[in-house]
Order: sequence, then C-alpha cells, then structure tokens
Amino acid sequence: AQSVTQLGSHVSVSEGALVLLRCNYSSSVPPYLFWYVQYPNQGLQLLLKYTTGATLVKGINGFEAEFKKSETSFHLTKPSAHMSDAAEYFCAVTRTSSSASKIIFGSGTRLSIRP
Amino acid sequence: EAGVAQSPRYKIIEKRQSVAFWCNPISGHATLYWYQQILGQGPKLLIQFQNNGVVDDSQLPKDRFSAERLKGVDSTLKIQPAKLEDSAVYLCASSLTPGSGTKNIQYFGAGTRLSVL
Repeated sequence: AQSVTQLGSHVSVSEGALVLLRCNYSSSVPPYLFWYVQYPNQGLQLLLKYTTGATLVKGINGFEAEFKKSETSFHLTKPSAHMSDAAEYFCAVTRTSSSASKIIFGSGTRLSIRP
Repeated sequence: EAGVAQSPRYKIIEKRQSVAFWCNPISGHATLYWYQQILGQGPKLLIQFQNNGVVDDSQLPKDRFSAERLKGVDSTLKIQPAKLEDSAVYLCASSLTPGSGTKNIQYFGAGTRLSVL
C-alpha cells in the first residue's frame, strides 16, 4: 500500500524567506510523486511532478522538489516566499504507469506568509 | 481552453435529504474522477470513470452515493440520503488518459462545498 505523510499541518514564513514543506512517502514500487497547490475556494493545481529521470524537479511559481529515494522524501522548496504563495499544499503519490492506479494525497500543509 | 466546470459551488441541505452535483470535464478528456475532501484532509478518490465505464469505485459508499457518466462526457454524483459526515468539498477532475503516465495530468474543478445540517 502507498501512503504520504506531510510533516506540519501549518507552516508560517516571512516574505522573502525560504519555504520548505516536508513530504515523506511509502511505496513498495517505484513511485510517481506530485505536489499540488490549492488556493482558497479553488480546486487543486499541479505544481510539479516526478516520474523518472532527474531527481530535482522544477515547477511553476519558482517551486522545486527533490526526490530522495534513500530518505523516501519529496520535499518542496522555494528560495524566496511571496505573499501570493499563501495556500494549502498537498503532496501525493501513485504507482508508476498503472492505468488503474489512484493518487493518494497527504493531509496537506497550510502555508502562511508574514509581511 | 476551458477548465473543469462544476455546479453548484455551494449547497446546504438537511440530513436525510438528497443532493446532486454536476461536472463537465475538459473537452476530449476520457478520464473523470470524483474526490471527497473533508476539512483538514487531502482529497480522497470516490470514483474514476474511463469514458462512460467505471474503473475504480472501491471507496464509494454505494449504499448512499451513486455516480454516472452517460455518453462519456458530463457526470453527476448523487447522495441519497445525506448524513452529517458527508459535509465536505466534492472535487471533480479530468485527465486525457488514465493512470499516472507522463501524458496524464489531472485537472481539477473548483469543487462543490456541501454542508449537511
């Protein structure tokens, strides 16, 4: 079975500071990993995804994440936070290339930005 | 390109009443998903359609929830009768193909927020 653990339900950083949102996964097979962002009263939007190849993945809005197999982690980072980054962030995992494989979401991390 | 459309945006009902949600996926997307997102939790897949056939409904409470995707385009999700614990946001998503390959990205609608009193 696959699962995702997001450490910290709420993270608060100052504008311009480093953003680090933690995600650890559990999977018995090579995983595909995702980060989604959800702004208030909106649906989820894909930030970035890791499938194969380069372990450092760059996404939209200056975010990136690094797949570390030895640590079973896929942490999301952004060098300098902006007020517009305030949102809920979800890490997700699925099995590679399975047509019937569902995406398993973590419980989410709310990111707040202090002026 | 138009996104995934959902209606209504908000719905308030009393327990034991019935409710229906509607979803129009992105044009040409063969796969459609319904998720339930309870406050403070990540989305949980309820049902996945490939065209008008069900691929996965293992987490759909079939005693009260039903979904259909006639003609392989629009979809409706129904709850009858509703319980207090059904209060959640119901998200619809669609993708060009099923699974999680590099060509598959799920696009989400804004959701329907259901409050059961």
